[in-house]
Amino acid sequence: QKEVEQNSGPLSVPEGAIASLNCTYSDRGSQSFFWYRQYSGKSPELIMFIYSNGDKEDGRFTAQLNKASQYVSLLIRDSQPSDSATYLCAVYTGGFKTIFGAGTRLFVKA
Amino acid sequence: DAGVIQSPRHEVTEMGQEVTLRCKPISGHNSLFWYRQTMMRGLELLIYFNNNVPIDDSGMPEDRFSAKMPNASFSTLKIQPSEPRDSAVYFCASSGDLANTQYFGPGTRLTVL
Repeated sequence: QKEVEQNSGPLSVPEGAIASLNCTYSDRGSQSFFWYRQYSGKSPELIMFIYSNGDKEDGRFTAQLNKASQYVSLLIRDSQPSDSATYLCAVYTGGFKTIFGAGTRLFVKA
Repeated sequence: DAGVIQSPRHEVTEMGQEVTLRCKPISGHNSLFWYRQTMMRGLELLIYFNNNVPIDDSGMPEDRFSAKMPNASFSTLKIQPSEPRDSAVYFCASSGDLANTQYFGPGTRLTVL
């Protein structure tokens, strides 16, 4: 069974701090890795994708991938109350199939 | 460019009625996905299409659920007959690259009474 695991949270951080969200996956053949943000009552919104080992930065967001450890993370710098949402980790394992984690709820305290 | 379009946004129906959900993928995308999301089960993949052909429908919960994609710009998900346990938010997503980057529609919130 191919799986994607996330801590359900909630993860609570003060405004301005770094939020660190983590995800592990079971299929070593996984090819692409995504982070989606989902506000309550809204649809998942793609915020980051990463294909290669290492870090990828986009504004306040940094995605980190370690294929040897089967680990993906998302760092949010200078966290804002507007970042409060559920963050879904998604892993593409091939054959048009992407597996989503259950999500981590992030709460940024003003 | 318009994103994924879904209709209706909200649907309230009575048990036993037929429900049809509609999706228009992003123009040029060749893969389409139907998901269901509930608090208890999270985001579940129901079925996906590539080039209008159903590839895997193993996530469809029962024979009451069916999906079609008659052309590249339209797909439907039908539930007949509907039951209260079908109440959920149904998302459609589409993808147009080899990395399977998916973009979600706004969803249809279905309530079956």
